[in-house]
Amino acid sequence: QSALTQPASVSGSPGQSITISCTGTSSDVGSYNLVSWYQQHPGKAPKLMIYEGSKRPSGVSNRFSGSKSGNTASLTISGLQAEDEADYYCCSYAGIWVFGGGTKLTVL
Amino acid sequence: EVQLVETGGGLIQPGGSLRLSCAASGFTVSSNYMSWVRQAPGKGLEWVSVIYSGGSTYYADSVKGRFTISRDNSKNTLYLQMNSLRAEDTAVYYCARASAANTLDVWGKGTTVTVSS
Repeated sequence: QSALTQPASVSGSPGQSITISCTGTSSDVGSYNLVSWYQQHPGKAPKLMIYEGSKRPSGVSNRFSGSKSGNTASLTISGLQAEDEADYYCCSYAGIWVFGGGTKLTVL
Repeated sequence: EVQLVETGGGLIQPGGSLRLSCAASGFTVSSNYMSWVRQAPGKGLEWVSVIYSGGSTYYADSVKGRFTISRDNSKNTLYLQMNSLRAEDTAVYYCARASAANTLDVWGKGTTVTVSS
């Protein structure tokens, strides 16, 4: 199972919106609505931000949203804040879990 | 409170063995799918292994035949036995719970394994 494809980095200014893409195949992202997104600050464990493509766990800001089209899932963060600066990983379940390579978000 | 705490990491020589533990609280390990995920220094997340509630186990190709996942229901603890360790196994190892939707929803803080001579 190959890793999902994410851009290595994205950036945005406070208050702006950014979108991180996550491209898989018809065998993983395209077949199941089981994409999740994780935020990871340096030296910390991953934190679940989005699951089942677009659902937010309790306590996660509604500035975070997820969507999917075909074999590509997306994470959108609106109203960027300094504390959003982190690494973000997508993950798809297709019998096993497959992660994307991660995207470093820089808040300018 | 739902919590996972990993222990057992350390410095080990190539070819050596190590057993990681993951103590759970706030939920029952045996009733959930439980996974190990690792992260090499400066790299992304890599799924390593899962044990399903029914006891079935699966492994990433990179560790198949060398790592064994297990659990002790009486201790509510997950384990990862790692044998024939290689330099490329150097990573922070996280244990995680998979929800009913197969989402890794609860993660421990991780334990660091360094394979070096």
